[in-house]
Amino acid sequence: DAEITQSPRHKITETGRQVTLACHQTWNHNNMFWYRQDLGHGLRLIHYSYGVHDTNKGEVSDGYSVSRSNTEDLPLTLESAASSQTSVYFCASSDLGLAGENEQFFGPGTRLTVL
Amino acid sequence: AQSVTQLDSHVSVSEGTPVLLRCNYSSSYSPSLFWYVQHPNKGLQLLLKYTSAATLVKGINGFEAEFKKSETSFHLTKPSAHMSDAAEYFCVVSDSWGKLQFGAGTQVVVTP
Repeated sequence: DAEITQSPRHKITETGRQVTLACHQTWNHNNMFWYRQDLGHGLRLIHYSYGVHDTNKGEVSDGYSVSRSNTEDLPLTLESAASSQTSVYFCASSDLGLAGENEQFFGPGTRLTVL
Repeated sequence: AQSVTQLDSHVSVSEGTPVLLRCNYSSSYSPSLFWYVQHPNKGLQLLLKYTSAATLVKGINGFEAEFKKSETSFHLTKPSAHMSDAAEYFCVVSDSWGKLQFGAGTQVVVTP
């Protein structure tokens, strides 16, 4: 069955370190998204991609970067981790076509703690 | 610009009684709207979606929602709550490019 996976599921790091969170989907979806979830804010969009070599900034992109070298993967990098980036991170993907109407499929999440 | 407001941060219901989760949206065009559910320590699962077809939308697990353009609302209901409905629920609006704007969420507690 097609799926979307994230790794690691839990990560503890120190302030100032570079961290990369992996996202891999086997749906063959063109669109991929990264969100962070914090209490009282729902999910907020960090970065997104509509295809290979395409990346765009979302609502809360400062301190994060992504790259899309193939259809299946969209890794999220924290260049220099800060305590404010302690959060749960979700990756999602959706099909092309009528993008606004398409369901996004979510990964299980990565819980990141920055000490 | 578009936005979503979930009017209740917490809702507590007794098992077997109706559930109502309220959502208002703001959008400059005819939106696509979704309800997602998140069980504890899990990812998000789609409950239902509205995409300009029928205004009353039926979803999984007995949930339904009604799109009311005049009231800019998309409230989620279920006639009879089960213990398994305890979770967090998100009302979501999508732009035409598939970017989602989430509400802050409503935590549902179901008591026996």
